[in-house]
Amino acid sequence: DQQVKQNSPSLSVQEGRISILNCDYTNSMFDYFLWYKKYPAEGPTFLISISSIKDKNEDGRFTVFLNKSAKHLSLHIVPSQPGDSAVYFCAAPRVYNQGGKLIFGQGTELSVKP
Amino acid sequence: NAGVTQTPKFQVLKTGQSMTLQCAQDMNHNSMYWYRQDPGMGLRLIYYSASEGTTDKGEVPNGYNVSRLNKREFSLRLESAAPSQTSVYFCASNGVAKNIQYFGAGTRLSVL
Repeated sequence: DQQVKQNSPSLSVQEGRISILNCDYTNSMFDYFLWYKKYPAEGPTFLISISSIKDKNEDGRFTVFLNKSAKHLSLHIVPSQPGDSAVYFCAAPRVYNQGGKLIFGQGTELSVKP
Repeated sequence: NAGVTQTPKFQVLKTGQSMTLQCAQDMNHNSMYWYRQDPGMGLRLIYYSASEGTTDKGEVPNGYNVSRLNKREFSLRLESAAPSQTSVYFCASNGVAKNIQYFGAGTRLSVL
């Protein structure tokens, strides 16, 4: 039962354009979502998060949008840079209102071309 | 500023061999985790330890055991390795900001 899904394995965009990475979830009890970024041969690193009481959270070039009714979140990167090329995972805490154990999506590999 | 350190980085085993993956964190975190990453499946939780002295199963615990040796160290043991355990293994920890986990660089394991 894949409770957090990233249906696009890969995405390619031109430098300077917007990258939009999508994530769907099935458990309406999830109250917090995170995005992690992973470079080859490194561990994932935390990028940005959003609480279910918000519908948008912004941090520099990165913005996460949450649509609770659709059980969908998206990560926007504007403008995209070659250094953003990585695998992006969305995740949610496994237990309602508790941190710690995370359920991860399958990941989307972003390639930003110069 | 080490963060989470995993050893070894690479390992090749034969079916039936045993080994222990080591993980240590220097951030004074209470909780530690072991994940495996497989193509097309994201990261899946194997075991976790909410605090020193406690461990519990995650999503895919079969074939693994863990030891929380002290607050810093959390090891993952494969008693009898199988080809299905070929994967990249990540250790993680988190502290007060419970949702944000910090990951090690991973151990790439091949079981032949």
